[in-house]
This record gives sequence, structure tokens and C-alpha cells, in this order.
Amino acid sequence: KNQVEQSPQSLIILEGKNCTLQCNYTVSPFSNLRWYKQDTGRGPVSLTIMTFSENTKSNGRYTATLDADTKQSSLHITASQLSDSASYICVVSMKTGGGADGLTFGKGTHLIIQP
Amino acid sequence: DGGITQSPKYLFRKEGQNVTLSCEQNLNHDAMYWYRQDPGQGLRLIYYSQIVNDFQKGDIAEGYSVSREKKESFPLTVTSAQKNPTAFYLCASSITDRETQYFGPGTRLLVL
Repeated sequence: KNQVEQSPQSLIILEGKNCTLQCNYTVSPFSNLRWYKQDTGRGPVSLTIMTFSENTKSNGRYTATLDADTKQSSLHITASQLSDSASYICVVSMKTGGGADGLTFGKGTHLIIQP
Repeated sequence: DGGITQSPKYLFRKEGQNVTLSCEQNLNHDAMYWYRQDPGQGLRLIYYSQIVNDFQKGDIAEGYSVSREKKESFPLTVTSAQKNPTAFYLCASSITDRETQYFGPGTRLLVL
């Protein structure tokens, strides 16, 4: 069964500190992996997308890594800001003939940045 | 101002009542999707449409219906057959079904 597991479930850090969120998946055959940020009560917003051949991608203070061999990804946030408080969702896409049923969503990591 | 919009932001449903959630996009995207989000759960796919006048069931389609008469619009009806409709509903669109999805702001449905 295709699964995406995210850890930790929740995380509290002080403003200015760095943190790393984890995503492990069993989706096969793998197509790509996306990280989304979802503010409370809002829709998710795409941060990064990585394919099999990419092992790191940055978007400002967000850096995602991918190890397709171990089926693990991480999202590193540098110099956290209060506005980083949100849920971060890992989404893995499976190679299919097409259609949205090839996506598997993680449950997300709820990140709280304290001043 | 391009984007994807959902309305209303909050919706209340009485027992036995059908309600329709609106989703509109002006991004010229072919594919549109409806997801349901419950606390502590990942997004679950209800229905998706790859092109006008065509749509497919997702993982949890029972108790829901959709239509795709126009490229810009993909309304979702929550029928009385959906016994546990209280949730946060998210609509998304993408250029094709293989591209990054752009999400709307969501509609929170509550049962009275």
C-alpha cells in the first residue's frame, strides 16, 4: 500500500532557530515529491517539487532534500520566522497513466514558531 | 487577478439537506480536484476532472457529486447521503493532471 509518513507530528521552536521535517514514503513507482505549506484555515501552497534525479532544491529559507534510494525526504527551514508557523505537507506522486489518484498525501507536520 | 476561489468560506447544512460548494479558477487549467481534510488526517481525494465534461471518482466519492460543464468551474454537491460531512473542503486546479496543484482557500462545512 502506498503510504507517506511525516515526522514529527508537531514541533515547537523558537524564532530564529532552524528545524528539519521528515517525510518517508513507500510510493512506487515514484514520479515526484512535493512539499506544501498550509496556513491554518487556508489552502496549501506549493514550496518545492523534486523528481527522481534531484536530491536538493531550495526556495528561499526552505531547502528540500530527496534520497530516492531510501525513499526519504526532508524539509529544512533556516532562521525561522513567526510566519513559518503552519502545517507542512509532503505529497508523493506515483507514475501512472494520468489522473489525480496517483497522489499520496502525508498527514503533515504542525510547526509552531514561538517569539 | 488570477487564482482559484471557493465560496462560501463557511457553510452550514441541516440534516437531510444537499449543499453545493463553489470552485472557480481563471488560470486556464484543464484539471480540477476536490479534497476533504479532517483534523489530523491527510487530504483525501473526493473527485477530480481532467477535462471539461469529464470527471472521475476519488477515494471517498460516496455521498458527493460534481459537474464540469465549464473549464473554469467545478462545483461539489454534498448530498444527504454523506453521513459525516463536517470537514474542511479544498478545491485545486493544475495545468494538467501531472502538474503542481494550486489550492483554493477552502470551505468549512458544518452540520447543524
